[in-house]
Amino acid sequence: EAQVTQNPRYLITVTGKKLTVTCSQNMNHEYMSWYRQDPGLGLRQIYYSMNVEVTDKGDVPEGYKVSRKEKRNFPLILESPSPNQTSLYFCASTPLGDSNYGYTFGSGTRLTVV
Amino acid sequence: AQSVTQLDSQVPVFEEAPVELRCNYSSSVSVYLFWYVQYPNQGLQLLLKYLSGSTLVKSINGFEAEFNKSQTSFHLRKPSVHISDTAEYFCAVSVGAGKSTFGDGTTLTVKP
Repeated sequence: EAQVTQNPRYLITVTGKKLTVTCSQNMNHEYMSWYRQDPGLGLRQIYYSMNVEVTDKGDVPEGYKVSRKEKRNFPLILESPSPNQTSLYFCASTPLGDSNYGYTFGSGTRLTVV
Repeated sequence: AQSVTQLDSQVPVFEEAPVELRCNYSSSVSVYLFWYVQYPNQGLQLLLKYLSGSTLVKSINGFEAEFNKSQTSFHLRKPSVHISDTAEYFCAVSVGAGKSTFGDGTTLTVKP
């Protein structure tokens, strides 16, 4: 089944404790992206990647890091989480080409930083 | 840069009534347009998309959207809603392959 898999689904952590949220896709998509969803603010892009070793900032990158060492994986790293990073996070992917086919999303990771 | 405005944050309707969720966009170049649906505790799923050609696009579950270039709109409609259509709906715009910009979402609540 074609899918984007995120782990974990739920995470509660303390301020300052480094964490990684994993994202993996099995569709050979070039483009991958991380979004955060907050009430009333819709989805805001954190980072994106056009291909292996190619990453760039989205609209709200502060406090986050990413890497793209393999085409299928795009982990999101919070090196020193703070309470304002409490949010619902989504990973998404799409193929690059002549057109835009829309995103395939993961099921989400609900992060609480206390 | 492109932007998306979803004109209604919440839309309550009764079951079997028609519904329209409104979406306007802004862009200086040609766009691709999308509607996504998010059911409770789930990720977003692509509902339908406009890439080119016919301005009326349809989903498999009875939703349709019409691209109106002059009004820069891409409203989502369904003639008769079901309880199971209760969800949050996101309009999105893209100017090419890759990044999409999302609206703030519209919560559709279908009441019995």
